[in-house]
Amino acid sequence: GIQVEQSPPDLILQEGANSTLRCNFSDSVNNLQWFHQNPWGQLINLFYIPSGTKQNGRLSATTVATERYSLLYISSSQTTDSGVYFCAVEPSGSARQLTFGSGTQLTVLP
Amino acid sequence: EAQVTQNPRYLITVTGKKLTVTCSQNMNHEYMSWYRQDPGLGLRQIYYSMNVEVTDKGDVPEGYKVSRKEKRNFPLILESPSPNQTSLYFCASGRGTTSYEQYFGPGTRLTVT
Repeated sequence: GIQVEQSPPDLILQEGANSTLRCNFSDSVNNLQWFHQNPWGQLINLFYIPSGTKQNGRLSATTVATERYSLLYISSSQTTDSGVYFCAVEPSGSARQLTFGSGTQLTVLP
Repeated sequence: EAQVTQNPRYLITVTGKKLTVTCSQNMNHEYMSWYRQDPGLGLRQIYYSMNVEVTDKGDVPEGYKVSRKEKRNFPLILESPSPNQTSLYFCASGRGTTSYEQYFGPGTRLTVT
């Protein structure tokens, strides 16, 4: 099956810093989504981005489908950004199953 | 508001006592799915449904049942829960073909003692 690798596994930042999270995947995909899992366990949709670039406030994402990677940028980080960030992909030709990466645990210190 | 809802959000039960976790979406999505999340194992798909009366197994279907009698609802049934089904469960939904984006419910924390 498709492999999804996220890096770094852990990231500690001071409030106000910027960061880049990476997601590599091993095959072509119909769907790529970024999620934030908050401390209460909820999965929050950040971006649906199978290709191209999107921005939403302090967050932006870029997927280069031909090179099989996606980047999530967080600018001016806040303590509320803490949590786990997941990349999830749906391989082309699959039955809509999302394969999740192992996540990046982000801690933003005040 | 477009959303996926799950109930209950938290449940503690005992081994062997049948339970149902409900999932409902108000976006008229054809596709619905259940995942479980466990430490060190990530999120794994249990069952999915491409449309009403169409369901299929995911990666970890053992010990679970589902049904899809209506488009908006996709309940997860544990006929005889066991402690290894203690987990965080997520329901998700998505459109059939026009977009592949999936939307997740808030999660259900299940503890089986």
